[in-house]
Order: sequence, then C-alpha cells, then structure tokens
Amino acid sequence: KQEVTQIPAALSVPEGENLVLNCSFTDSAIYNLQWFRQDPGKGLTSLLLIQSSQREQTSGRLNASLDKSSGRSTLYIAASQPGDSATYLCAVRPTLTFNKFYFGSGTKLNVKP
Amino acid sequence: NAGVTQTPKFRVLKTGQSMTLLCAQDMNHEYMYWYRQDPGMGLRLIHYSVGEGTTAKGEVPDGYNVSRLKKQNFLLGLESAAPSQTSVYFCASSSDRVNTEAFFGQGTRLTVV
Repeated sequence: KQEVTQIPAALSVPEGENLVLNCSFTDSAIYNLQWFRQDPGKGLTSLLLIQSSQREQTSGRLNASLDKSSGRSTLYIAASQPGDSATYLCAVRPTLTFNKFYFGSGTKLNVKP
Repeated sequence: NAGVTQTPKFRVLKTGQSMTLLCAQDMNHEYMYWYRQDPGMGLRLIHYSVGEGTTAKGEVPDGYNVSRLKKQNFLLGLESAAPSQTSVYFCASSSDRVNTEAFFGQGTRLTVV
C-alpha cells in the first residue's frame, strides 16, 4: 500500500524566507503528484499538479519538483509572506489504483510578519 | 463555475440520528470521493465512486453508506450517528483521465453529541 509522508509536520519562518516542504512516497509507480493548500476551516485548494514524466512545475512563487525514482517531491516557496500561512498537503495517484489518491498528513506553515 | 459543492456546511446531530451529506459537481467528472479529516489522522477515504450507479469502500467505510444515482451527485449517509463520527467531511471529484487533478469541496463540519 502506498504511504505518503510529509516532514516536518509544522514549520514557522519569518516573512521573506525561501522555504522547502517535503513529501515522500513509498511506491514510485505513480501517474502524478498534486500539492494542495488548506486554510483553517476550509477545503483543499489545488496548487500544482506534476506528472510522473515531469521534473518540476512552477506557478508564481511556487515550484514543485518530483524525483519519482527516489519517491520524493518538494514544494519550494520563494519570498514567503504571512498570507502563505496554511497547511500544505501532497497527494499521489498510483498507477495500480489510479481511481484513488493517497494523502500525506500535511505540513502546517506559519509565516511570521 | 461552482466546482464541487457540499451541503450542509455545518451540522450537529444527536447520537443515533441519521443524516445525508450531499456532494454535487458540475465538471462532468466520473470519479467522486468522500473523505473524513481528523486531527493527527490526515485525510481518510470513506467511500468512492468510479461512475454513475457504482460505489466502493475506502479505508474507513463502517457506519456510512453512499449512493451515486446521478453522475453529478454523490451522497454520504449516516444511518445511526456515533460520537466517533464527529469530523470534517470532504467530497472530491476527478476526471477518469489519470493525468488530471482532483478538486475538493469546502467541507462539512459534523458534530455528534
């Protein structure tokens, strides 16, 4: 069974720092990996979808990389802002069970003004 | 574009009562999912559907039933609510094209007293 791990569980940084969030998965047979943002009391908002054939995807200050063979993805946030404070979750879509997504438990990010 | 809509947003039930949560999507997606999110447990899949008229069990199906009578709707039922079902419930949908993203509703916060 696919296991997805996100470390650290929580992260606090001062405004303006560049930071990296980590996501690891145990089975490299995936179609894609998706990064989400969740604000308190809200649903999940899709940030980036990175296909298994891709190495990275960028959207504004966000850059997601994928190393499928080693079972790792990182979400890089440049010049962090207090508005980036949220929980960030990653999810993989395995090739064998492609109608399901497997989620990590998330990294709770606090960007201090 | 509404995306994925969940009703209700909040509900308080007494132990033993029943209720139905409604999820509606307007993206013509084949796949629909119900998750619950609990502190420290992450997102856990309750039931899912791969098309109209189909349902399947996820990780934590006990105490829940689902129906997908119409492609755009996925209903989650609690026949006899228990305090252990106090949680935030999320509905999600995705295309059956595997290299596409999942979309989430805003969640239903359910408290069983």
